Amino acid sequence: KAGVTQTPRYLIKTRGQQVTLSCSPISGHRSVSWYQQTPGQGLQFLFEYFSETQRNKGNFPGRFSGRQFSNSRSEMNVSTLELGDSALYLCASSLDLATNEKLFFGSGTQLSVL
Amino acid sequence: AQKVTQAQTEISVVEKEDVTLDCVYETRDTTYYLFWYKQPPSGELVFLIRRNSFDEQNEISGRYSWNFQKSTSSFNFTITASQVVDSAVYFCALSGRTNAGKSTFGDGTTLTVKP
Repeated sequence: KAGVTQTPRYLIKTRGQQVTLSCSPISGHRSVSWYQQTPGQGLQFLFEYFSETQRNKGNFPGRFSGRQFSNSRSEMNVSTLELGDSALYLCASSLDLATNEKLFFGSGTQLSVL
Repeated sequence: AQKVTQAQTEISVVEKEDVTLDCVYETRDTTYYLFWYKQPPSGELVFLIRRNSFDEQNEISGRYSWNFQKSTSSFNFTITASQVVDSAVYFCALSGRTNAGKSTFGDGTTLTVKP
């Protein structure tokens, strides 16, 4: 069974640009969550999607957005990039987080904003 | 609001030593779940254990053991006879019934096991 796949693995952008990250969950998983990991802030929750609906949202500005498709694949978008957006972005999938299931994580996308 | 505190930022031990990673949590939920994840250098967090708030039994899995104490809101993780392959960042996480899709993670403890 394939794990959670995130693309791209590495990304370099400049301030002001926008970026789209992709996540393919484990087959059969309908819940997809996104986390931002930085050395100073640890793992911060961005949002969670279930059946194409955003079910939970963290405390991030509106520049951070996401969506989920009917096949449960998810994308997150960051517009008007800032230097502070440099981080490892992790995607996690689960059968259904409403039942507090464990998370399966991808290897992440390392975003560097110059 | 939920909060997870991992007071130990970094721990360094020599192979075969036992090591305990501390985790203290805060939540207003009466039903909640606690997790431990391991993040090796490759970056992918790997699930280790899930424990619900009604099950205070300690658990042992090979060299790993977990001690859950509701009275002190702690969920500590012990590695017995540590090995170099145990070197990683370990995260404790909390998921409550009211915000089930929004796991709260501690800042992580970086464990280095030296040969």
